[in-house]
Amino acid sequence: DAKTTQPNSMESNEEEPVHLPCNHSTISGTDYIHWYRQLPSQGPEYVIHGLTSNVNNRMASLAIAEDRKSSTLILHRATLRDAAVYYCILRGAGTASKLTFGTGTRLQVTL
Amino acid sequence: GAVVSQHPSWVICKSGTSVKIECRSLDFQATTMFWYRQFPKQSLMLMATSNEGSKATYEQGVEKDKFLINHASLTLSTLTVTSAHPEDSSFYICSGGREFYEQYFGPGTRLTVT
Repeated sequence: DAKTTQPNSMESNEEEPVHLPCNHSTISGTDYIHWYRQLPSQGPEYVIHGLTSNVNNRMASLAIAEDRKSSTLILHRATLRDAAVYYCILRGAGTASKLTFGTGTRLQVTL
Repeated sequence: GAVVSQHPSWVICKSGTSVKIECRSLDFQATTMFWYRQFPKQSLMLMATSNEGSKATYEQGVEKDKFLINHASLTLSTLTVTSAHPEDSSFYICSGGREFYEQYFGPGTRLTVT
C-alpha cells in the first residue's frame, strides 16, 4: 500500500481556515485520496475524497497537486467540533479495497 | 449517511473467556466489511476483511484462530475474541461501504479483559 505522510499535530483558531497537508509521493495512478477524521472515542468519519481534480463538499475542500504527490484538506472555518485526528489515506477503487490508516494529524482548535 | 452499529459498546470479561462483537449495517447491504483494532493514542490497525459467505482475509500478524470472523449475511459481521487475555484489551471498530469511496464506521466496542 502506498503510504502517506502527515504532520503529527496542528493548531488553529476558531473561525479561521485550516490547511492540513498530506504527502503521498508513491501514489499510483489508480489510487484515490481519501480523508477521514476521528473524534475522541468514536469511529472514523468520512470527510472527502478525490482522484485528480480539486473537490468540494459541505464539510471541506480537497486540493490535489497536479502531480498527485501531495494534497491538502481545507476546512474553511474551523470550529471546536472540528477538533479531531485527520487521516489522509490512499485507496484503490471498489468497496473491497482496504483503508490503511497512518498516524494522522491531530487538529486542535482554540477559541 | 449510512449507519453501522456495533454491539456491545463496551464489555468487560475475564481472562480466558470469549467475547463476541456484532457489527450491523442498518440501512445498506455490505458484501465486505472490515475490522480494526485501536490501542490508546494510536491509529487504527486493520485486522481483517470480512467477506459475506466466505472466509475472512486476515492481515499479517493477526491470529485467525484467536479472532474469529463470521459474515453470515449482508448486514451482519461478527468478531469473536477467543480465550481473551489482558493484551487483547482494545477498541474494536468495524466498517462497511455502500459506495466504493465511502466507508461507514461503527461507534466501536471497548473491550477490557481482566
